Amino acid sequence: SAVISQKPSRDICQRGTSLTIQCQVDSQVTMMFWYRQQPGQSLTLIATANQGSEATYESGFVIDKFPISRPNLTFSTLTVSNMSPEDSSIYLCSVEGGSGETQYFGPGTRLLVL
Amino acid sequence: AQSVTQPDIHITVSEGASLELRCNYSYGATPYLFWYVQSPGQGLQLLLKYFSGDTLVQGIKGFEAEFKRSQSSFNLRKPSVHWSDAAEYFCAVGPSNDYKLSFGAGTTVTVRA
Repeated sequence: SAVISQKPSRDICQRGTSLTIQCQVDSQVTMMFWYRQQPGQSLTLIATANQGSEATYESGFVIDKFPISRPNLTFSTLTVSNMSPEDSSIYLCSVEGGSGETQYFGPGTRLLVL
Repeated sequence: AQSVTQPDIHITVSEGASLELRCNYSYGATPYLFWYVQSPGQGLQLLLKYFSGDTLVQGIKGFEAEFKRSQSSFNLRKPSVHWSDAAEYFCAVGPSNDYKLSFGAGTTVTVRA
């Protein structure tokens, strides 16, 4: 399976600011995914990021709030814009790998918005 | 639309005892099924997955899961739990032609000495 790292691992931010989260994979992958895990909740898919194309957002998530970049096959960023306390969550990236549409996850970025 | 139900929010088990975590899914065809574990402060680690074939699947850390089509279930089991198994466990389902996973709400496992 791929080795995935995320930066930062955690952060505390003020409302109204933006934070960019980086996801780095040790091998080339076509599909990368960004998830949100709100406190005590399960994972919700934010968007799918394929290299060379615009990210595809799930219902309830918009590009203005969560812009995503995918400049190459090993890297992606997710920006959480104009943050509010409701954005306090764990943000996880994942990548496709292996057979059967398997996903492997990064360690997550723990965000607290004050 | 696909959905996943994990009926047990929290389970407490003694170290050395057996563990079973329930997962029921709703999907129009045979889905791909996954179990992930999230230890405190960590990301998600894949325990095992089912696509087709033998309905009893072996995973890492001594876990296994059984797919029962008639019951739309994919329950996770471990014969003897260790203190390090204390974590949150997520069942996930995805269509065979898409990477979009739907996750259950998760089951928190506490292991007592």
